[in-house]
Formats: sequence, structure tokens, C-alpha cells
Amino acid sequence: GENVEQHPSTLSVQEGDSAVIKCTYSDSASNYFPWYKQELGKRPQLIIDIRSNVGEKKDQRIAVTLNKTAKHFSLHITETQPEDSAVYFCAALDTGRRALTFGSGTRLQVQP
Amino acid sequence: NAGVMQNPRHLVRRRGQEARLRCSPMKGHSHVYWYRQLPEEGLKFMVYLQKENIIDESGMPKERFSAEFPKEGPSILRIQQVVRGDSAAYFCASSPSAGSSYEQYFGPGTRLTVT
Repeated sequence: GENVEQHPSTLSVQEGDSAVIKCTYSDSASNYFPWYKQELGKRPQLIIDIRSNVGEKKDQRIAVTLNKTAKHFSLHITETQPEDSAVYFCAALDTGRRALTFGSGTRLQVQP
Repeated sequence: NAGVMQNPRHLVRRRGQEARLRCSPMKGHSHVYWYRQLPEEGLKFMVYLQKENIIDESGMPKERFSAEFPKEGPSILRIQQVVRGDSAAYFCASSPSAGSSYEQYFGPGTRLTVT
């Protein structure tokens, strides 16, 4: 089955700096890669996603890149703000199965 | 358009009791997924259902756990004879019915505590 590894487990940045979170996956059949943000005690919220036929996608301060050959994808947050502080999860999906496999999460702390 | 609804939000059960967790998908969604999240961990897939059908239950323990999504009403995750290790947050997600949309939207979760 699919295995998704996520790094780092914790990340502390100063407000205004950039943050990068990286994930690798094992199953070459995976072709959809969403990122979720989860605040303490809340639901995971889909913030951006990318499909395997695209190498990069951007939405305001958030971007995701995908390297299918190397089987890794990354989340980039620019101009971080304190409200970006949360746990971020990457995930991979084999659209034939529809079950998401999640990484273990990255706790991002943005220091004001 | 209401989001994914789950109830109850918090559930306390004694060891040996049954827990029933409910999930109503977003309007227009007929794919439902259940995930479990242990404290300080990621989400683990349990089961994927469509109306009246279990499509994939590969992540669900073989004993004590069952799920259904009837023609009418919410999807239900049932845990019989709960044990302390069942204490976790259980999240339901839904996705659109057809086409090539794979986004899964999560409900607020049910936090189960087994005493």
C-alpha cells in the first residue's frame, strides 16, 4: 500500500518568512495530492491540491510543487502570518481506490 | 450549502459499551469516508462507502467495527464493546458523486473517550 512520509515534524519561522514542508510517497499509482491545515481541535481543511499532470500550482501565498519522477511534493507558504500556525498534513490518493493516505503532519509555528 | 455534519461532537463511553457515530455528507455528495486520528498523529483511513455499498473497508478493524451508509439518512460508524484504545477523533469526509473531482471535505469530527 501507499506510504507517505512528511518532514519536518515541527517548523518554527518568523512572521514574514517562508515555510516549506516536504512529502514523499511510495505508490506510483497515486495521482492526486492534497494538503490540509488543521487547527487545534478543529477539522482538517483542504487548502490546496495538485494532480499528477501538473508540476506546480499556486494560490496567493500558498504553492505546491510535484516531482512525479522522484515521488515527492512540497508545500510552500510565503509571507507567513501568525494565523498560519497550525498542523499541516500532506496526503496522496490513488484515484482508483479513493482512500487518502496521510503524512504524519508538520506543526508550523509562526512567531510574531 | 451546509458542510459535512457529524454528531455527536463528543462521546464518552465506558469499556464494553457501544458507540454510534453519525455523518451527513455535503449536499450532492454520495461518497463518504471515515478516518481515525489518534492524539498527535495523522489521519488513518478506515472505510469508504457509497449509498448502500461498502466500497473499501481495508482500514477498518475486522472485529467490533462496522459502517453503513443507507439509502436514507446519515452514514453510521458503529464500534461495539469499546476499549480504551478506541479513544480517538473520528472524522468523516465526503466527496462529489461523479466526474473527476477527488476533493474530500471533512466534518468537525467526533471525539470518542472510553473510560
